[in-house]
Amino acid sequence: ETGVTQSPTHLIKTRGQQVTLRCSSQSGHNTVSWYQQALGQGPQFIFQYYREEENGRGNFPPRFSGLQFPNYSSELNVNALELDDSALYLCASSLAGVYTGELFFGEGSRLTVL
Amino acid sequence: AQSVTQLDSHVSVSEGTPVLLRCNYSSSYSPSLFWYVQHPNKGLQLLLKYTSAATLVKGINGFEAEFKKSETSFHLTKPSAHMSDAAEYFCVVSDRNQAGTALIFGKGTTLSVSS
Repeated sequence: ETGVTQSPTHLIKTRGQQVTLRCSSQSGHNTVSWYQQALGQGPQFIFQYYREEENGRGNFPPRFSGLQFPNYSSELNVNALELDDSALYLCASSLAGVYTGELFFGEGSRLTVL
Repeated sequence: AQSVTQLDSHVSVSEGTPVLLRCNYSSSYSPSLFWYVQHPNKGLQLLLKYTSAATLVKGINGFEAEFKKSETSFHLTKPSAHMSDAAEYFCVVSDRNQAGTALIFGKGTTLSVSS
């Protein structure tokens, strides 16, 4: 069973740039969620994708966008980066229709915005 | 709206002594509650979950939590701490206003275990 993998693990960008983070879901999982974890805080829900469509979104501006591909992998895109976007971005996968509340998380992509 | 409050940002215990990490919740519905653990440079892992069945929930690695509706609490306990328990612990509630599975995390409690 392959777990959730994310890339890159670390990256540095400057204000105003754009970034793309990638996630491969756990084998057999068809739903992907993204969370932002600022330093010293708990993760915050950004959005969730199921069947290649967004089906839930947290309190994040439109410059945070995503994609899900037919193989269930996903991308998180952030445009016009701001200093406050510096955080650990976590991807989590689950199986739609089997609600256990358990999400399987990757180790995250740490983004630093200078 | 659902929310959770973790009452301690940092808890320190000695190896072999009990662990208590406190969490209060607020929910308009009968909540689904969870504890997740985050070890350094590791992904978040589910410790245990409460979904309106038994109020005393047992999880992995000897942890358990008790759902107390009268106190709106869901405290995490372990009888005897081990060095490997040192990590960040998050109390979590499921957001039923969201489609899919959106989780609301507390700010976390750092557990330190000394020998």
